[in-house]
Amino acid sequence: EAQVTQNPRYLITVTGKKLTVTCSQNMNHEYMSWYRQDPGLGLRQIYYSMNVEVTDKGDVPEGYKVSRKEKRNFPLILESPSPNQTSLYFCASSFGTGRTYEQYFGPGTRLTVT
Amino acid sequence: GENVEQHPSTLSVQEGDSAVIKCTYSDSASNYFPWYKQELGKGPQLIIDIRSNVGEKKDQRIAVTLNKTAKHFSLHITETQPEDSAVYFCAASSNTGNQFYFGTGTSLTVIP
Repeated sequence: EAQVTQNPRYLITVTGKKLTVTCSQNMNHEYMSWYRQDPGLGLRQIYYSMNVEVTDKGDVPEGYKVSRKEKRNFPLILESPSPNQTSLYFCASSFGTGRTYEQYFGPGTRLTVT
Repeated sequence: GENVEQHPSTLSVQEGDSAVIKCTYSDSASNYFPWYKQELGKGPQLIIDIRSNVGEKKDQRIAVTLNKTAKHFSLHITETQPEDSAVYFCAASSNTGNQFYFGTGTSLTVIP
């Protein structure tokens, strides 16, 4: 089954404790992206990657890091989480620009930072 | 950067009626406009999209219209059904298709 998976689905952590949210897709997509969803703000793009070792900032990259060492994986790293990063996070992937822009979203990771 | 505004934030309609959600964008370079449906507890799912070289696109009960001059685009759902109840997001993307800007969402409730 074609899908985007995220782990963990739920996470409660404390301020300053480094964490990683994993994202994996099995569709051989070139493009992957991370979003955060907050009430009243919709989805905002954090980082995106057009291919292995190619990443770029989205609209709200502060406080986040990403890496793309393999085509299928695109982890989101919070090196020193703060309460304002409490949010619902979505990973998405697509074949890439020039082919189709349809993004497939993962199920989401709800993060709470206390 | 791009700014996408979406209205209304909530919408209730009777089953069988039509629903219209409107979005405006600010960057004239944007040329791809997808619409996503998000059901409770799930990630958004693409339901229809339109590119700037097209004025209207239809897929069964769902249609999208685009007015490039006025920089606005709309989602039209006809003959609404209870399963259409969800949150709908519009988005805009530039020609590169790398960056996406979403509206703030519309919570649609279809009353049986």
